[in-house]
Amino acid sequence: DTGVSQDPRHKITKRGQNVTFRCDPISEHNRLYWYRQTLGQGPEFLTYFQNEAQLEKSRLLSDRFSAERPKGSFSTLEIQRTEQGDSAMYLCASSSDRVGELFFGEGSRLTVL
Amino acid sequence: AQSVAQPEDQVKVAEGNPLTVKCTYSVSGNPYLFWYVQYPNRGLQFLLKYITGDNLVKGSYGFEAEFNKSQTSFHLKKPSALVSDSALYFCAVRDMNTDKLIFGTGTRLQVFP
Repeated sequence: DTGVSQDPRHKITKRGQNVTFRCDPISEHNRLYWYRQTLGQGPEFLTYFQNEAQLEKSRLLSDRFSAERPKGSFSTLEIQRTEQGDSAMYLCASSSDRVGELFFGEGSRLTVL
Repeated sequence: AQSVAQPEDQVKVAEGNPLTVKCTYSVSGNPYLFWYVQYPNRGLQFLLKYITGDNLVKGSYGFEAEFNKSQTSFHLKKPSALVSDSALYFCAVRDMNTDKLIFGTGTRLQVFP
């Protein structure tokens, strides 16, 4: 399967712990996006990479959140000192150009107890 | 700012009947519009897109959408609904200034036998 893959699919953690999610985009795609989705809502944009450069960060991305894409391939999203409000589905997507569709992974569901 | 609106939280239709899921958009410049479907605890699956050209766009699983510039709408349609079409549907617009997809709030489609 050459689609977007995300790991882990599910993560349960205690408040205050750090968590990291990984995303492997479609190999030839240079654009990579992170979104957050809470139950029953539409995905909200978090951040965006073109190759290894992080070009935009949403105001939703507090200083507890950091994303990297060190070699322009896979990306990680880290949340430090998790809070219950961080519980959500974290979606990764990739694309090859500015006008086409984004291809989404299956998401990483975070539950903070 | 670019945005899309999905005025209906839920749409119910009988199997075999035609279905319509509504979307209106607000953009500066040419719109790049998309429909995605999401099944429970899954990522988003791309259905179809409008970039340019014919106003009637055909997509996956028998879905189509009609782009109407004068009404700033991009409604999703299917001539004959299936129970398996029951899912959450999202309309989205590509923000050409920031390169990200902006999603609507979603419409839950329920097809009953």
